[in-house]
Parts: sequence; C-alpha cells; structure tokens
Amino acid sequence: EAQVTQNPRYLITVTGKKLTVTCSQNMNHEYMSWYRQDPGLGLRQIYYSMNVEVTDKGDVPEGYKVSRKEKRNFPLILESPSPNQTSLYFCASSLGRPLGYGYTFGSGTRLTVV
Amino acid sequence: DAKTTQPPSMDCAEGRAANLPCNHSTISGNEYVYWYRQIHSQGPQYIIHGLKNNETNEMASLIITEDRKSSTLILPHATLRDTAVYYCILNAGNNRKLIWGLGTSLAVNP
Repeated sequence: EAQVTQNPRYLITVTGKKLTVTCSQNMNHEYMSWYRQDPGLGLRQIYYSMNVEVTDKGDVPEGYKVSRKEKRNFPLILESPSPNQTSLYFCASSLGRPLGYGYTFGSGTRLTVV
Repeated sequence: DAKTTQPPSMDCAEGRAANLPCNHSTISGNEYVYWYRQIHSQGPQYIIHGLKNNETNEMASLIITEDRKSSTLILPHATLRDTAVYYCILNAGNNRKLIWGLGTSLAVNP
C-alpha cells in the first residue's frame, strides 16, 4: 500500500531532551515536507526537501533540523525541544513533477513537551 | 496569509449534495486550485485539483468559474464519513509549497 509512515504517533518528552520523529514513504516521491498544526493557526510548513541531499526552510524552521540522506526517509530532529513545540506534526510527500500532483500525508505525530 | 477565503463552517444533510465554496480572487494564471480534507486529527487527504476546466473524480467534482476567481467543491451524496475540515489551496505546479488557511468545517447530519 502506498503510504507515508510516521513514528511515533504520540510522544511526551521533557524540555531539552533531543528527539527524532521518523518519516518514510514507499512511493519513490522526490518531494517531502514537514508541517506542524496548531489550533487557530492551521498547517505551517517547517522544512521541505526537493530531493536527496536537498533541504530548505519553510515558514517555521526555528528549533528544528531535517536530513534527506535517502529518497524514502525524511526525519525531523528537535535538538532541544521546548514547550512551544508542543504540536501535531505531519510529514507529506509528492512527485516532484511540475504538474500539480497531490500530496500524501502521514497519520501525524502528536508531540507534548513538558 | 492564505490566498483563499472559505466559510468557517457548513452543514449538510446525509445523502444530499454538499457544495463548498472558495474565493481566490488573486489567483495567478499558473496556479492550480487544490482541495484537501482532514478528518478529525488525521493527516490531510487529497481530494481533487484543477486549473481552469471542471474536474470530476470518484470522490468529488470541482467547478471553477470562468474568471477563475472562485470555485466550488461538490460532494454529490454526502455521508456521515464526509464530516471533516475541507481546505481550498492554491499552488503553482512548480512550487511545492502549500499555504493552508483554516478551511471549512463540514458537518454531515443524519
């Protein structure tokens, strides 16, 4: 089944403890992206990657890192999480062609930083 | 800021057509109109997209006005499982960034 897989689904952590949220897609998509969703603010892009070894900042990149060493994986790293990073996170992927293909989203990771 | 305007909420009776409007008066010539929906807190799901012609797939129909300044997503026979937040988004084909608004919360009632 074609899908984007995120892990974990739920995570509670303490301030300052480094964590990684994994994202993997099995559709050979070139483009991958991370979003966070907060009440009243909608979905905001954190980072995106157009292809392997190519990453760029979205609208809210502060406090996050990403890497794209393989086409299928795009982990989100929080080096020193803070409570304002408590949010619902989504990974998404799509073909890189310029003809407006739809995005496939993962099921989400609900992160709580205390 | 989102480039689209949608009503915050709508209701629809089960089995009836749900017509969700979207205004995008500043749309550029190369921007597609996309529709996604998000059921509860699941990942958004792609529904349909179009450039200027009307489009139909197994999920919905998309009607785009001739001047492209507005569009309507039509769910022909809404079911309870169509209760979700529906997002109308503009995206140029070669720009991978999506700007999300707050969407329309559709409640399908029995």
